[in-house]
Amino acid sequence: DAGVIQSPRHEVTEMGQEVTLRCKPISGHDYLFWYRQTMMRGLELLIYFNNNVPIDDSGMPEDRFSAKMPNASFSTLKIQPSEPRDSAVYFCASSLGTSGRMSYEQYFGPGTRLTVT
Amino acid sequence: AQSVSQHNHHVILSEAASLELGCNYSYGGTVNLFWYVQYPGQHLQLLLKYFSGDPLVKGIKGFEAEFIKSKFSFNLRKPSVQWSDTAEYFCAVTPNSGYSTLTFGKGTMLLVSP
Repeated sequence: DAGVIQSPRHEVTEMGQEVTLRCKPISGHDYLFWYRQTMMRGLELLIYFNNNVPIDDSGMPEDRFSAKMPNASFSTLKIQPSEPRDSAVYFCASSLGTSGRMSYEQYFGPGTRLTVT
Repeated sequence: AQSVSQHNHHVILSEAASLELGCNYSYGGTVNLFWYVQYPGQHLQLLLKYFSGDPLVKGIKGFEAEFIKSKFSFNLRKPSVQWSDTAEYFCAVTPNSGYSTLTFGKGTMLLVSP
C-alpha cells in the first residue's frame, strides 16, 4: 500500500486566498484525522471522520476552516480566507476500526507545509 | 480530558549515549499509551505502544518504554543512541474506551551528534 497520500506537499499563498489540502487515506481504513502542527501548539487534532461522517470537529479553529469527506478514499481541508497564523504543517492520518471501535494505531501522511504571507 | 506533558523540548546527545525521554499524562482511568517518531522531513511513525499487560514494552530500532501507573509516566528509553535516531519524538495517550482520539504531547527534538 502507498500509505496515506497528501497533496500538495508545500503550499505558499497570500493572505485572503482559499487553500485546499487533500488527503487519500489507506484503502480500507474507516477513520480519517486531520491534524495541525505548529511550534507553539504542537500537534492538534482538528477533525476526524468515521465512515466518511464527521464525528468531532471541536478542534477546528474557526469557521474559516472546513473539512469534507465525500467518499472513503478522499478528504479535503479548506481554509477560506487564509491568514498568516494558519501557517503550519497539516497532517492527515487514517486508521482501521476494530469491531466498531477506533483503533489507536494511526498512519500519518507526509503532511502539507502551508505558508500564508 | 486527558493531557500529555513531555518535559524536554530539546535533547542533545553524543552517539552511544543512553537516552531517556520523559512523558507524563493526566487521566483518571485506564489508558493506552504511544510513542511516535518523526524523522526530519518525514511523517510520524509509530515507535511503540502500550495497551495492557507487561508495562515494559519494546518497539522498533531498540527503543523501549516503561509504563509506571503510579507515576502516570511512560518514559522512552534506548541504551545507546545512533546518529540516525535524530528525530522528534511524540508521546500520546488515549482513554481505553475505543471512542476517544489520541492526545499528543508537544514533542521532544533529539539531536544525536556523531
